[in-house]
Amino acid sequence: KAGVTQTPRYLIKTRGQQVTLSCSPISGHRSVSWYQQTPGQGLQFLFEYFSETQRNKGNFPGRFSGRQFSNSRSEMNVSTLELGDSALYLCASSHGASGPSYNEQFFGPGTRLTVL
Amino acid sequence: DQQVKQNSPSLSVQEGRISILNCDYTNSMFDYFLWYKKYPAEGPTFLISISSIKDKNEDGRFTVFLNKSAKHLSLHIVPSQPGDSAVYFCAARKTGTASKLTFGTGTRLQVTL
Repeated sequence: KAGVTQTPRYLIKTRGQQVTLSCSPISGHRSVSWYQQTPGQGLQFLFEYFSETQRNKGNFPGRFSGRQFSNSRSEMNVSTLELGDSALYLCASSHGASGPSYNEQFFGPGTRLTVL
Repeated sequence: DQQVKQNSPSLSVQEGRISILNCDYTNSMFDYFLWYKKYPAEGPTFLISISSIKDKNEDGRFTVFLNKSAKHLSLHIVPSQPGDSAVYFCAARKTGTASKLTFGTGTRLQVTL
């Protein structure tokens, strides 16, 4: 089974620009979550999409948005980039079933975004 | 507000000895705890987990201990191997939030020969 794939792997942008990152989950997984990893902050949850709907949201400004398509692929968009947005952006997929059981998440390799 | 804390940014252990990685949390609504391991240029991979109704879970060389009253968990690796050198993240899930995880800042483990 193919793992989670993220494109592009590396990206360099300048302040004020916008960027779109893509994530393809494991086949059969319906949930995609996005995380931002920066030095000293660990991984911070951005949002989760399940069946094309945002199901959970973290504490990030509205410049960060996402969507999910009918094939479960997800995109994340950051508008008006700031220097502090430089980070590794990780996506994780899971079956996403609701209920008390934890759905194991499988992470992609991430997209390294550098904002100059 | 860092709800999951890993106060040791790095740890160095000799091969064959025990590695103990610690994690503290503040939110009593967390009901499930996980450890992830991350190598450079790769995404985190799941290592071991524990439900809040248990105080210990073992999987081969890896054991996770949970002390709910102290809001503390630890990961023990015995014996440590050079391939264990990586960044370890502690994560927690709140009841009813399915896939949303709150991560600590990570501890870099270096296993020396």
